[in-house]
This record gives sequence, structure tokens and C-alpha cells, in this order.
Amino acid sequence: EVQLVESGGGLVQTGGSLRLSCAASGFTFSDHNMDWVRQAPGKGLEWLGRIRERANSYTTEYAASVRGRFTISRDDSQSSLYLQMNGLKTEDTAVYYCVVVAGSGYYLDPWGQGALVTVSS
Amino acid sequence: DIQMTQSPSSLSASVGDRVTITCRASEGINNRLAWFQQKPGKAPKSLIYAASTLQSGVPSRFSGSGSGTDFTLTISSLQPEDFATYYCQHYQIYPLSFGGGTKVEIQ
Repeated sequence: EVQLVESGGGLVQTGGSLRLSCAASGFTFSDHNMDWVRQAPGKGLEWLGRIRERANSYTTEYAASVRGRFTISRDDSQSSLYLQMNGLKTEDTAVYYCVVVAGSGYYLDPWGQGALVTVSS
Repeated sequence: DIQMTQSPSSLSASVGDRVTITCRASEGINNRLAWFQQKPGKAPKSLIYAASTLQSGVPSRFSGSGSGTDFTLTISSLQPEDFATYYCQHYQIYPLSFGGGTKVEIQ
């Protein structure tokens, strides 16, 4: 069964940096594209970006709101996904989820429990 | 970018009611649409992909339909555990995007 565990969240000041990790198990991590999705307190879901699998050269896509500030990476040997967040803003305060992408582009269940990032001024 | 518009943003219903939620894409997305359910304090749960295919384990009272720009999620007979917020998402092109959500509350 798919299991995703996010970690690395916490409190950071505006302009600071934070790196989230997502430990994956229960599936062949290296075969799947992976996404990050976030949810600000009391708000809806926002797609942040994707990293493709090795067969597609680990290429990435980003939402405009985080492009140039956030970087997605992965370590297939560790079945781990990362989100490096730089230049954090108060509006980046949210719960961050990693998600497995199926071959056809939809998400597999379950999602991780999420990691809370709070950016304070 | 493709915008996803859900309606209504909230609704009140009773156990046993038939509930329909609509999602409209700003341009055609074929059938590359998913539906999610989220309960307070929990991660979203995938319900439907490819507009009408139920994820494994999802009760058959949930169904999805539509293609192109207009889609619906229907709950045929609302159960107590179905009170939650529902989101649609397109995965046609980058950037992916979600609808604003529909909160289903107890009447």
C-alpha cells in the first residue's frame, strides 16, 4: 500500500528557507512522477509542482506562485521527495502534501498527512 | 492557464438526499478530471479520476460524469460520512489546478 510521510515543517521567518521531505514506501517510487500540493489555513488546494521520473530526465514543472523560489528534487535510492523553499512569504503558510502520480496523470491514494509550514513576519 | 469553477460553494443536505456538484473548466480538458473529498484536519482522499472512474474502495453511491468543460459529481444517497468538502482538479496541462471546493453540510 502506498505510504507517504512528510517531514521538515515548522516556523520560519519571512525571507527564510525550509526543506520538506517526503518518505515514500509501498510502491516503486522510481517509476512515478511526484507532485507537491499545499493548502493554506481555511483555503482550498493549490498545485505547486511536479518532478518526473528518471525515464523523463527528472524534469520539473512549477506553479507561477512558487517558480524561482521553490525547487523539487528526488532521491530514488532513498525513495524520497524534497521541496526546497527559499524566499518564504507569509502567504506560503500552509500544509504541504506530497502525492503520487499515476501513469495517466491522476493521483494515487492515500496522500501523506502533510507538513505544516508557518511563515511569520 | 485553465481555471476550474465549482458550484455551489456550499450546500446543505440531509442523509439520503441526492447531491450534485458541478465543475466547469475554462477550456476543454477532455476527461482529465479528478474529484477529491476532504474532511476537517485530514488529507484529501481521491474519489474519481478520468471524470467517471471510481478509485478503488470508493462506494458506488459516488459517480462522476462529463467531458470537455462541464463535469458533475453525484452522491446518489448522502450518508453521514459524506459530509465534507469536495474538490475537482484538472490534469490536462500544466499548471494543474483545483476548483475552489464545495462544502457539503448537514441540513
